[in-house]
Amino acid sequence: NAGVTQTPKFQVLKTGQSMTLQCAQDMNHEYMSWYRQDPGMGLRLIHYSVGAGITDQGEVPNGYNVSRSTTEDFPLRLLSAAPSQTSVYFCASSNLQGSGYTFGSGTRLTVV
Amino acid sequence: GENVEQHPSTLSVQEGDSAVIKCTYSDSASNYFPWYKQELGKRPQLIIDIRSNVGEKKDQRIAVTLNKTAKHFSLHITETQPEDSAVYFCAATASSNTGKLIFGQGTTLQVKP
Repeated sequence: NAGVTQTPKFQVLKTGQSMTLQCAQDMNHEYMSWYRQDPGMGLRLIHYSVGAGITDQGEVPNGYNVSRSTTEDFPLRLLSAAPSQTSVYFCASSNLQGSGYTFGSGTRLTVV
Repeated sequence: GENVEQHPSTLSVQEGDSAVIKCTYSDSASNYFPWYKQELGKRPQLIIDIRSNVGEKKDQRIAVTLNKTAKHFSLHITETQPEDSAVYFCAATASSNTGKLIFGQGTTLQVKP
């Protein structure tokens, strides 16, 4: 039982490049979400999903796309990386009944 | 809209003292209130939670209290130790009952030896 697995752990991109951050969970959780955390800041919700085929925007969705084709996977796509997207990204999952999130270990992204 | 306010933003205590962090939520339909601890460079970890049908919950040195009428909940840490130093986040379920949590802004707790 791996919980929530995020890859990669570290990534450096050049401005304008695209990439996908992977997130997978093996707990059969319906709810999955992506957050970004900037230095000294809290957790800001990017996108979330309540089940396969269903996604919705959070508070900072611009520049990011998501899809949810399976219950297990919730990838986050950066379309054209910008220095403002330099951050630590966390994926989190839970059931729909209201329980604590399980967070992935995070992806530290630097855009130069 | 959905909102969780957390105070203070920073808190410094002497080892052995108690620490209290307070949160206020906006949506009366919120029914689950977890607390997370995030150590430097690590992921947030759930440390304690409380549901709306309970007023208080304890787990060793940590406790959470909930006042539904006032829409307040608090984290209490007694006999603080240096390893309690971290950022603490409170959260509340969004009224849409989707599993979505609304997080507070975080409190940086420093425990001085």
